[in-house]
Amino acid sequence: EAGVAQSPRYKIIEKRQSVAFWCNPISGHATLYWYQQILGQGPKLLIQFQNNGVVDDSQLPKDRFSAERLKGVDSTLKIQPAKLEDSAVYLCASSLEGGMGQPQHFGDGTRLSIL
Amino acid sequence: GQSLEQPSEVTAVEGAIVQINCTYQTSGFYGLSWYQQHDGGAPTFLSYNGLDGLEETGRFSSFLSRSDSYGYLLLQELQMKDSASYFCAVIGSWGKLQFGAGTQVVVTP
Repeated sequence: EAGVAQSPRYKIIEKRQSVAFWCNPISGHATLYWYQQILGQGPKLLIQFQNNGVVDDSQLPKDRFSAERLKGVDSTLKIQPAKLEDSAVYLCASSLEGGMGQPQHFGDGTRLSIL
Repeated sequence: GQSLEQPSEVTAVEGAIVQINCTYQTSGFYGLSWYQQHDGGAPTFLSYNGLDGLEETGRFSSFLSRSDSYGYLLLQELQMKDSASYFCAVIGSWGKLQFGAGTQVVVTP
């Protein structure tokens, strides 16, 4: 089966600019996650979707970050305006359901550098 | 608050056994998972412990003790390809994962 697809693979922007990331989960996976991974740290959950509804966005900086999952399949994550501290790898993951013990399948991520 | 602790780095030789400990403090605990991540790569799922005890998957095993808020990942017969970062992750409601900072395992010839 095809894995989680993310694009772009790399992005370099200046602070205060905007950027968007795209994710296509594994076919049939109801749950989709966006994580931020800063160098040397573990992934931090930003937002979790169950189909096209938000289950958890408690750690999403809502003044600058937004995400949507239209039609319960693809998802986009946007940052506007970007800050230097947003430099990180943004990982998308999906799982069959949001249940306990369900493996999360990660994409290769988008490496974002803010100048 | 919530916290997870795991060692930052472990070094071992090929063929050896390595144990990575993970202690946690959290509310709403539903289990512990382990993920492997090679440099520049995506995290990949290794194991899940929902109940106390040992789970074995090939060369890797994982253990959980809920009463001690403690778990570990055991890597046996270490191979060079096992050089990677290993993350423990607490599972909360809706399957939400909270990851530790990761343990870098360095395997030497």
